[in-house]
Amino acid sequence: EAGVAQSPRYKIIEKRQSVAFWCNPISGHATLYWYQQILGQGPKLLIQFQNNGVVDDSQLPKDRFSAERLKGVDSTLKIQPAKLEDSAVYLCASSRTGLAGTDTQYFGPGTRLTVL
Amino acid sequence: AQSVTQLGSHVSVSEGALVLLRCNYSSSVPPYLFWYVQYPNQGLQLLLKYTTGATLVKGINGFEAEFKKSETSFHLTKPSAHMSDAAEYFCAVSTTSGTYKYIFGTGTRLKVLA
Repeated sequence: EAGVAQSPRYKIIEKRQSVAFWCNPISGHATLYWYQQILGQGPKLLIQFQNNGVVDDSQLPKDRFSAERLKGVDSTLKIQPAKLEDSAVYLCASSRTGLAGTDTQYFGPGTRLTVL
Repeated sequence: AQSVTQLGSHVSVSEGALVLLRCNYSSSVPPYLFWYVQYPNQGLQLLLKYTTGATLVKGINGFEAEFKKSETSFHLTKPSAHMSDAAEYFCAVSTTSGTYKYIFGTGTRLKVLA
């Protein structure tokens, strides 16, 4: 089966610009996650969707970050306006149900964002 | 609140030597535990996971980990390192109720010396 797809793989922008990332999860997976991975740190969950509803967005900086998963399949994450500290790898993951802690999350290759 | 501590941000071993990567967790109840590997410019790939049952868990590429409740540990081992094992390794815990989200450690970068 195809894995989690993300695009673009790399993005360089100036501070105060906006940027959007796209993710297509594994077919049939109900739960989709966006993580931020800053250099030297582990991934940090930004937002979790169950189908097209938000389950957890407690760590999403809502003044500048937004995400949607309108049809319960693919998702976009947007940053507007970007700050220098947003430079990171943005990882998308999906899991089959997300309804059990034993559910394995499958990760995409990530988008590396550099904010100048 | 749950947390994960990975001791040693960088570990170097010789090819053929034992690999030991340490992970300790903090949780009021035994969580579900995972080890992921990340190769350069790639996403995370699951190595193994512990949910319930046997405390020694075998994963891919010859890795295994043992859940020790008394020590709140889930250390990752491999008897003989290979050059291809050079990567970053992340330990994660998952909550056992609620929204079931992962909490990751800060990672350990493994270097394998020829």
